[in-house]
Amino acid sequence: EVQLVESGGGLVQPGGSLRLSCAASGFTFSSYWMHWVRQAPGKGLVWVSRVKDDGSDTKYADSVKGRFTISRDNAKNTLYLQMNSLRAEDTAVYYCARAGVGSGLDSWGQGTLVTVSS
Amino acid sequence: QSVLTQPPSASGTPGQRVTISCSGSSSNIGSNAVNWYQQLPGTAPKLLIYSNNQRPSGVPDRFSGSKSGTSASLAISGLQSEDEVDYYCATWDDSLNGWVFGGGTKLTVL
Repeated sequence: EVQLVESGGGLVQPGGSLRLSCAASGFTFSSYWMHWVRQAPGKGLVWVSRVKDDGSDTKYADSVKGRFTISRDNAKNTLYLQMNSLRAEDTAVYYCARAGVGSGLDSWGQGTLVTVSS
Repeated sequence: QSVLTQPPSASGTPGQRVTISCSGSSSNIGSNAVNWYQQLPGTAPKLLIYSNNQRPSGVPDRFSGSKSGTSASLAISGLQSEDEVDYYCATWDDSLNGWVFGGGTKLTVL
């Protein structure tokens, strides 16, 4: 069974940093592109970033470009999101998601809440 | 403002058939497959439809998807009370080089 478990969320002050992790199991992690998607309280889903299966290529939404860094450790089956210079508008539940072959974002973690507030 | 446009709400009575629309452009729906997600309150989105009209195993055949040009639709037949949750459409956008989502539709079963 595919499992994605996020961790690392919490309360951080504006301008601060946080690193999210997503532990994957139940599938060959190194074969799949992975994504981060966030959802602000009471709002819709917004794509944040993605990383190629071997980690060699990354893409970001304009709203986080230059502040967030996505990475992965295939030996540890773990996806990361380093978030710097955090703003109040980054407050959201952050989900990691697997990109299936021909099936879009087919598996999601339970999410981890990031709150940016003083 | 979401890249894909969905109605914020939809409604129907038990047993009825309802459809939810999703409108995009040539750079997203017009050139890529559409997925639909169902999200219960406080939980992660669940894949409902992929590749425009394919159902993952375990999804009832009451749910169906279609796409035409730069628009897509999700149809739910035999409406049940447990269908009263949020639905999102999504696809890849070639211009933005990322996934784009609709704003979500809250379905009410009257």
